[in-house]
Amino acid sequence: GAVVSQHPSWVICKSGTSVKIECRSLDFQATTMFWYRQFPKQSLMLMATSNEGSKATYEQGVEKDKFLINHASLTLSTLTVTSAHPEDSSFYICSARVGREVQPQHFGDGTRLSIL
Amino acid sequence: GQNIDQPTEMTATEGAIVQINCTYQTSGFNGLFWYQQHAGEAPTFLSYNVLDGLEEKGRFSSFLSRSKGYSYLLLKELQMKDSASYLCAVLDSNYQLIWGAGTKLIIKP
Repeated sequence: GAVVSQHPSWVICKSGTSVKIECRSLDFQATTMFWYRQFPKQSLMLMATSNEGSKATYEQGVEKDKFLINHASLTLSTLTVTSAHPEDSSFYICSARVGREVQPQHFGDGTRLSIL
Repeated sequence: GQNIDQPTEMTATEGAIVQINCTYQTSGFNGLFWYQQHAGEAPTFLSYNVLDGLEEKGRFSSFLSRSKGYSYLLLKELQMKDSASYLCAVLDSNYQLIWGAGTKLIIKP
């Protein structure tokens, strides 16, 4: 089945550091990838939709200059949290879809980000 | 606005059956997904319904009634490993996926 790989799994770093998270589709080409954030005991919150070769579409309230998304190829999308602060600490999850919107999203294992 | 409602938490006994309900009010409808999410892990896909009726997949079944804006996930022969959150998500007319807050299912021996 479709597999999505996300790295790193855990990141602990100091305030002010920029952190890059990678999301790869391993056995399929993903035209569209999604980035979510999930705070403890809350549901998934879509941050942005990433389309290969074009600019990401950000959800309302998500700062595009703080959360930089690059989808340079059909198998790789990256999320960079720039100048991270403690309030950015969260569980970040990417997903990818094979084909049309009615297909299910396949999720990476998530990245737990802790900013000290 | 768009809204998806699920119970926050449910408790059931190992070996029993549990039904998790989901009601939705969205601008259009292009299908409904159920995902399972264990604590600290990413969601995994369970089912997709776009037509009315029951879809069965082993111990898990999912039902949809579009006229009522209602779906349920039925889990049979519950096992301890079924303890997780179950997320309902609807694809609206713009093919945007609208997520419910999830139902935390606790299985007791």
